[in-house]
Amino acid sequence: ETGVTQTPRHLVMGMTNKKSLKCEQHLGHNAMYWYKQSAKKPLELMFVYNFKEQTENNSVPSRFSPECPNSSHLFLHLHTLQPEDSALYLCASSQRPGDTQYFGPGTRLTVL
Amino acid sequence: AQRVTQPEKLLSVFKGAPVELKCNYSYSGSPELFWYVQYSRQRLQLLLRHISRESIKGFTADLNKGETSFHLKKPFAQEEDSAMYYCALRDYGQNFVFGPGTRLSVLP
Repeated sequence: ETGVTQTPRHLVMGMTNKKSLKCEQHLGHNAMYWYKQSAKKPLELMFVYNFKEQTENNSVPSRFSPECPNSSHLFLHLHTLQPEDSALYLCASSQRPGDTQYFGPGTRLTVL
Repeated sequence: AQRVTQPEKLLSVFKGAPVELKCNYSYSGSPELFWYVQYSRQRLQLLLRHISRESIKGFTADLNKGETSFHLKKPFAQEEDSAMYYCALRDYGQNFVFGPGTRLSVLP
C-alpha cells in the first residue's frame, strides 16, 4: 500500500508490556505526526516531527516515547500503559508542518 | 485556547435533501479552517479547506468570522456522503486542532 502505512493494525497489550507502533510514509514528506483518537474525545495531537526533529510534545505522558530515525519513519514506543490509553493511534505526514496531512489507517490499541 | 466544536454527534438526512454540518471555533487570530472526512473502512482524508474556496463532491464551506463558524453544506445529499466529518483549525504553530466529529447518515 502506498501513502502512509501503520503496523500493527491491532495490538493488545498488558500494562507491564513494552511494544512499539510503526509508521512509514512513502510520500517524500518532511513532517510526521502522532494522534490519539479515543471514543469520547476529539482527535488529539501527541507529537510532531519536522525533518526528524521533534517540534511538538502536547503534554504527553512519558510512557509514550516517540522516535523518528528519518523523515520516512516514525515510531511510538509504549511501556507501562494504562487501560485508559486504549485508543486508535493515527499517524500522519505532510510536506511541511501545517500543510495538508495524509493519514495512515491507524493502530487500534487495547491495554488490558 | 483554540477550540473546535461540532454540536451534532449524528445527523441523519434523506437522499436528495440539503445537509449542513455545523462547526464553530474559538481562536484569537486569523484562522485557517478545514473539513476532513472518513468514509467507512477508509482513512481520514482532507475534504476541503476554506482558503481554497472550492467545492469538493458538491460540498462547500464558508468561513464566517463574525459568527466564528465554518459550516459544511451540500444542497442534495447522496448515500455515498455517509461518513464521519471532522472540522479542524490550524493554529499559529501550524498544528491542527480537530473537532469531535459528526457522523452523517444519508438515508435512501
